Amino acid sequence: GENVEQHPSTLSVQEGDSAVIKCTYSDSASNYFPWYKQELGKRPQLIIDIRSNVGEKKDQRIAVTLNKTAKHFSLHITETQPEDSAVYFCAAKGGGGNKLTFGTGTQLKVEL
Amino acid sequence: DGGITQSPKYLFRKEGQNVTLSCEQNLNHDAMYWYRQDPGQGLRLIYYSQIVNDFQKGDIAEGYSVSREKKESFPLTVTSAQKNPTAFYLCASSPDRANSPLHFGNGTRLTVT
Repeated sequence: GENVEQHPSTLSVQEGDSAVIKCTYSDSASNYFPWYKQELGKRPQLIIDIRSNVGEKKDQRIAVTLNKTAKHFSLHITETQPEDSAVYFCAAKGGGGNKLTFGTGTQLKVEL
Repeated sequence: DGGITQSPKYLFRKEGQNVTLSCEQNLNHDAMYWYRQDPGQGLRLIYYSQIVNDFQKGDIAEGYSVSREKKESFPLTVTSAQKNPTAFYLCASSPDRANSPLHFGNGTRLTVT
């Protein structure tokens, strides 16, 4: 089955700096890669996703890049703000079924 | 909130007792999922269902059971066979289309002592 690894597990940045979270996946047939943000005590919420036929996608301060050859994808947050502090999860969906496999999460802390 | 309701928010049980977690959605989604969240381990899939009266085991199904008698409902039973049941349980749903995102409920925190 699919295996997703996520790094780093914790990340501290100064407000206004950029943050990058990286994930690798094992199933070369995976074709869908969403990113979720989970604030403390709340449910995960989709912030951006990318499909395997696209190399990069951007939404305001958030962007995701995908390298299918290397089987890795990354989340980029620019001009970080305190409200960006949360746990971020990457996920990958394999070639069969509609089952998402999640990474272990990154605790992002944006310091003033 | 968001069309997926999990109840209760907090649940306490004694070891050896079965307990059922409720999940209801009004989004008309075909697929429903149960994930378990533990610190440092991300979200791990317990069971999922893509259609009424059918469901499949996820990566950590041992000690759990589910049913899908109605499209809107996907209850999860944590049995006494689950060795470490204390966790945060998240239910999710999605349209049964390729590459569709999951919509999560607010979760149930289960504590077994």
